[in-house]
Amino acid sequence: DAKTTQPPSMDCAEGRAANLPCNHSTISGNEYVYWYRQIHSQGPQYIIHGLKNNETNEMASLIITEDRKSSTLILPHATLRDTAVYYCIVRVPEFTSGTYKYIFGTGTRLKVLA
Amino acid sequence: DTGVSQNPRHKITKRGQNVTFRCDPISEHNRLYWYRQTLGQGPEFLTYFQNEAQLEKSRLLSDRFSAERPKGSFSTLEIQRTEQGDSAMYLCASSFGENQPQHFGDGTRLSIL
Repeated sequence: DAKTTQPPSMDCAEGRAANLPCNHSTISGNEYVYWYRQIHSQGPQYIIHGLKNNETNEMASLIITEDRKSSTLILPHATLRDTAVYYCIVRVPEFTSGTYKYIFGTGTRLKVLA
Repeated sequence: DTGVSQNPRHKITKRGQNVTFRCDPISEHNRLYWYRQTLGQGPEFLTYFQNEAQLEKSRLLSDRFSAERPKGSFSTLEIQRTEQGDSAMYLCASSFGENQPQHFGDGTRLSIL
């Protein structure tokens, strides 16, 4: 089961900031939060990830609350090309192999309106 | 382009046939993952390789599915005796290092007639 909860859909006006929330109340202290987006017929595209500090890159900003139970992805100036499904992921450790795997939920369908 | 490459992009086959997909990861990435995605759902984990070793397999990976990564570079996913329920997008991802993000290819869309 996904360890994150996201609203199923959101609209945003072109040129405005898009703020996509994610709840991950069961996150443990050393688990990262990853954000991806998926445009129809393409694979998920990595956006940003973080542990406890806020992060910013050329695509977006990630704000993680102090208790780490939720985060917000911010697209500062949304364009029509940002219309996509956005996934917030907390990895699940697999102790048998010592690796982590992603458990995707159904994400947030962001529609940027002209 | 040095991203993850998957071939073919689309595969249409009759029920009962065998199919094989190929994934070429980003060259320095030692970890490789396969996922399956059905319409309206997020990708579901199928299996994981570290170098050539297959270290993790999901319960979704029935006996008809087999994956290999013979030299720790490209990987293949084979489905034998395909069924209608196998129709999906099959995604490959690769990464390097424990906390580094996975990078996905654009997938192979499988349609079973």
